[in-house]
Amino acid sequence: GQSLEQPSEVTAVEGAIVQINCTYQTSGFYGLSWYQQHDGGAPTFLSYNALDGLEETGRFSSFLSRSDSYGYLLLQELQMKDSASYFCAVRRDGGYQKVTFGIGTKLQVIP
Amino acid sequence: DTGVSQNPRHKITKRGQNVTFRCDPISEHNRLYWYRQTLGQGPEFLTYFQNEAQLEKSRLLSDRFSAERPKGSFSTLEIQRTEQGDSAMYLCASSSTVRSNEKLFFGSGTQLSVL
Repeated sequence: GQSLEQPSEVTAVEGAIVQINCTYQTSGFYGLSWYQQHDGGAPTFLSYNALDGLEETGRFSSFLSRSDSYGYLLLQELQMKDSASYFCAVRRDGGYQKVTFGIGTKLQVIP
Repeated sequence: DTGVSQNPRHKITKRGQNVTFRCDPISEHNRLYWYRQTLGQGPEFLTYFQNEAQLEKSRLLSDRFSAERPKGSFSTLEIQRTEQGDSAMYLCASSSTVRSNEKLFFGSGTQLSVL
């Protein structure tokens, strides 16, 4: 089977840096994605890692270690609008590519 | 607007009734996914299409759930004999097999309430 673990809630101060961790267990691992979802909204894609290392996209960075089955999302210069739920999701290899989501981390940014 | 479109946005039904939802993916996307999400949880995989072929269906889905994607374009998700436990947000997503194929593009969802 597959499982993903991430913290359920994180609180951080505006302007600070926050790291959201994700550990996974799955067969046929292909890549790790991160999605953001505001309350009442649809999940939106943030980043994707298929290889070990850091991917940077503006204020957001994502890291993957395949050997440790671990990844994280790093949010810098936090803004109030970053308050949302963040989901890690594993993509499996194969003729089709099912994407399985974690339960999400609710980030609250406080002034 | 070339995003993923879902209809209706909200559906209220009585227990035992059948409901059908529609998803129109981004036009050039040949992969289409259905997910279900309840409050405080992540999207839960239901089923996946590549073109018109349904390649995987979650074991969690009972026989009351069926999905189709005729001609590999729009998709419908039908729930028969609805139960209160079916109340959730039903999300559709699409992706390309060519460009940026790691990205899922989600619609705004259909919120189902079973009374």
